[in-house]
Amino acid sequence: ELKVEQNPLFLSMQEGKNYTIYCNYSTTSDRLYWYRQDPGKSLESLFVLLSNGAVKQEGRLMASLDTKARLSTLHITAAVHDLSATYFCAVARANQAGTALIFGKGTTLSVSS
Amino acid sequence: GAGVSQSPSNKVTEKGKDVELRCDPISGHTALYWYRQSLGQGLEFLIYFQGNSAPDKSGLPSDRFSAERTGGSVSTLTIQRTQQEDSAVYLCASSLDIVAYEQYFGPGTRLTVT
Repeated sequence: ELKVEQNPLFLSMQEGKNYTIYCNYSTTSDRLYWYRQDPGKSLESLFVLLSNGAVKQEGRLMASLDTKARLSTLHITAAVHDLSATYFCAVARANQAGTALIFGKGTTLSVSS
Repeated sequence: GAGVSQSPSNKVTEKGKDVELRCDPISGHTALYWYRQSLGQGLEFLIYFQGNSAPDKSGLPSDRFSAERTGGSVSTLTIQRTQQEDSAVYLCASSLDIVAYEQYFGPGTRLTVT
């Protein structure tokens, strides 16, 4: 059974600091997703990572994937208040038609000045 | 273009009643997914459709839950004899097909069972 673990679950950051969110998963998969969710809102797609060594960057966020270690990271550079949200990683179930996503519990990020 | 839409946005029902939740996927998207988000269980996959058929119902928590899709478009998730533990936000997502990478999520239906 595919399991996805994120850590930390809560992260309080100061503006301007850097930090990393980690996502570990238990079985082989060919794609990993990062989503952002603001309070009371739905999920916004941030990144889709498809291969070992994939790295994607958007603004102050950078995601990477190591399929051998079954690990993805979401790195936050010089945090700003607007990044406060909950971030989820999700892994696609392999070897199945259809891409049911298995989600981590989410990391709630709070950025303060 | 229009995104995934869901209705109602909020639903309050009494324990034991049946409810229907509706999802309109993005036009042309053949794959449709239902997920549930609750405080206790996080985000859980429920069921997915390819066209009108549901190859994977593995996430439905009990036989009180069922879903159908008609015309390869609108989907309805039905919960019979609702229980308090069914209270959650029900999210629908669609993708172009079953191998497309991106899943686009709707705004969700918040279900409260009293």
